Amino acid sequence: EVQLLESGGGLVQPGGSLTLSCAASGFTFSTYAMSWVRQAPGKGLEWVSGINYSGGNIYYADSAKGRFTISRDNSKNTLYLQMNSLRAEDTALYYCARHIVGVTTYFHPWGQGTRVTVSS
Amino acid sequence: SYELTQPPSVSVSPGQTASIICSGDRLGDKYVCWYQQKAGQSPVVVMYQNNKRPSGIPERFSGSNSGNTATLTISGTQTIDEADYYCQAWDSSTWVFGGGTKLTVL
Repeated sequence: EVQLLESGGGLVQPGGSLTLSCAASGFTFSTYAMSWVRQAPGKGLEWVSGINYSGGNIYYADSAKGRFTISRDNSKNTLYLQMNSLRAEDTALYYCARHIVGVTTYFHPWGQGTRVTVSS
Repeated sequence: SYELTQPPSVSVSPGQTASIICSGDRLGDKYVCWYQQKAGQSPVVVMYQNNKRPSGIPERFSGSNSGNTATLTISGTQTIDEADYYCQAWDSSTWVFGGGTKLTVL
């Protein structure tokens, strides 16, 4: 069974840092692109960052550029999101999702999410 | 930056047809997918490549995309279809989600 398990969320002060992890199992992680998507409380989905299978191509939303760094360790089947200079507006449930690539790309499956709260 | 616009809410009676729209500039030139998110759960893809259903998604779900509008249609809507629905497209090396539509079945 394909599974994605996020961890690393928590309460952090504004300006602080946090690193999220997404442990993958049930598929060959090293052959799939991945993304992080967040959802602020009571709000919609916002794509944050994506990375190709090797880590050679990386993309960020404008809200993440310069502050967040996506990476992956294919030997550990794990995706990461390092978040620096955190702001109150970064408070959200952070999901990791696997890319299914064909004629187009969609995200499947999604993990259960890890909650990040930025507050003093 | 590219924007996708969805109505905040749609209501439908059980057994009727629900149509959820997603609008964006020349959206018909892009591929659109749709996600369903039930309360307290993670999103699940219900449509990709405009009109393709992933395995396990009921036939009552269908999709289309033309001009500036993509549409997710649910025929014979059931109470279990009550959820938030999000459209998604790729533009300029970023993934964009619509703001979401809450589908109420009553």
